[in-house]
Amino acid sequence: NAGVTQTPKFRVLKTGQSMTLLCAQDMNHEYMYWYRQDPGMGLRLIHYSVGEGTTAKGEVPDGYNVSRLKKQNFLLGLESAAPSQTSVYFCASSPFYEQYFGPGTRLTVT
Amino acid sequence: GQQVMQIPQYQHVQEGEDFTTYCNSSTTLSNIQWYKQRPGGHPVFLIQLVKSGEVKKQKRLTFQFGEAKKNSSLHITATQTTDVGTYFCAGPFRAGGTSYGKLTFGQGTILTVHP
Repeated sequence: NAGVTQTPKFRVLKTGQSMTLLCAQDMNHEYMYWYRQDPGMGLRLIHYSVGEGTTAKGEVPDGYNVSRLKKQNFLLGLESAAPSQTSVYFCASSPFYEQYFGPGTRLTVT
Repeated sequence: GQQVMQIPQYQHVQEGEDFTTYCNSSTTLSNIQWYKQRPGGHPVFLIQLVKSGEVKKQKRLTFQFGEAKKNSSLHITATQTTDVGTYFCAGPFRAGGTSYGKLTFGQGTILTVHP
């Protein structure tokens, strides 16, 4: 089992560019989450999904969109990147309580 | 809204010293979880506490859940260099109804261990 995988691992964007981060899990978990991690601020929830075809906003959803067309995949989109979105992005999946995190994507917006 | 606070933010210890991080919630929690993130790595689930006053041990790590279920602590006995990392506590996030597994994370305690 690969667990939770994320692509890409690193990315540099220019302000205004768009991109999609892909998260995939092979544990058949219903719940999936996208977080961003910034120094001194812990992990903040961007969006989450409680099942295929469903998504909901988390704590800091502005500037991001998500989709979960397949149970195993959860995509995070940035339509028009801003320097404030420079961060490390983690995806996680959960059977209900404990969460299993992917390795993260380090995104820099210049 | 719900807040989960952790102290201290940083802790530097000599190898062999003990370490404790504390977690406090503004609301009563149904459970609390602890995660460890190694430098450059991703958070890894350590444990979940559910019962009031619960104490669980994992080798040199001792986890406690307060009687009022609003605070928790992680204690490491005789730290080793392998303990380096950031330790997060997390409680279920509730905004009415079920939390759907959502968590509110504390800011984390960064532990450095000097050999």
